[in-house]
Amino acid sequence: GIQVEQSPPDLILQEGANSTLRCNFSDSVNNLQWFHQNPWGQLINLFYIPSGTKQNGRLSATTVATERYSLLYISSSQTTDSGVYFCAVGRGWNTDKLIFGTGTRLQVFP
Amino acid sequence: KAGVTQTPRYLIKTRGQQVTLSCSPISGHRSVSWYQQTPGQGLQFLFEYFSETQRNKGNFPGRFSGRQFSNSRSEMNVSTLELGDSALYLCASTPGGPPPDTQYFGPGTRLTVL
Repeated sequence: GIQVEQSPPDLILQEGANSTLRCNFSDSVNNLQWFHQNPWGQLINLFYIPSGTKQNGRLSATTVATERYSLLYISSSQTTDSGVYFCAVGRGWNTDKLIFGTGTRLQVFP
Repeated sequence: KAGVTQTPRYLIKTRGQQVTLSCSPISGHRSVSWYQQTPGQGLQFLFEYFSETQRNKGNFPGRFSGRQFSNSRSEMNVSTLELGDSALYLCASTPGGPPPDTQYFGPGTRLTVL
């Protein structure tokens, strides 16, 4: 099956700093999503981005499908950005099944 | 629109018992997927339902089963509970496609097996 690797596993930042999270996957995909899991366990969808670049406020993401990686950029980080960021991928046209990476744990201090 | 809801939010059971978890998708969504999250194994796909049919299944023992009703609500059942079944169980919904689409997750059910 597809392998999904995320780096770094842990990230500690001060408020205001920028960061880049990386997701590598081992095979072609037609579904790639980034999620933020808050301390209460809720998974929030950030981007649906099987290819290309998207931006939403301080967050942006880029997926280079031909090279099998995706990047999530967080600018001017805030304490509320703390949590675990997951990349998840899927294959197949008629399924929403996702394979998750192991996540990047982000801690933002004031 | 209301989001994905899951009930109950917390559950404590003992080994050998069975449990049923419920998931109500976003109105109009026809696909429901279930995931198990544990500290050791991370987030793992359990199964996916679309229009009352199981469309995909993960690598879990037969003790884990699910179903979907005509209103798209879904339930999952775990029989003969083991300590290792303690986990956060998450469900997600999408319109159902194809193609694949953004998944919206519920708040989860935290199951503790004693």
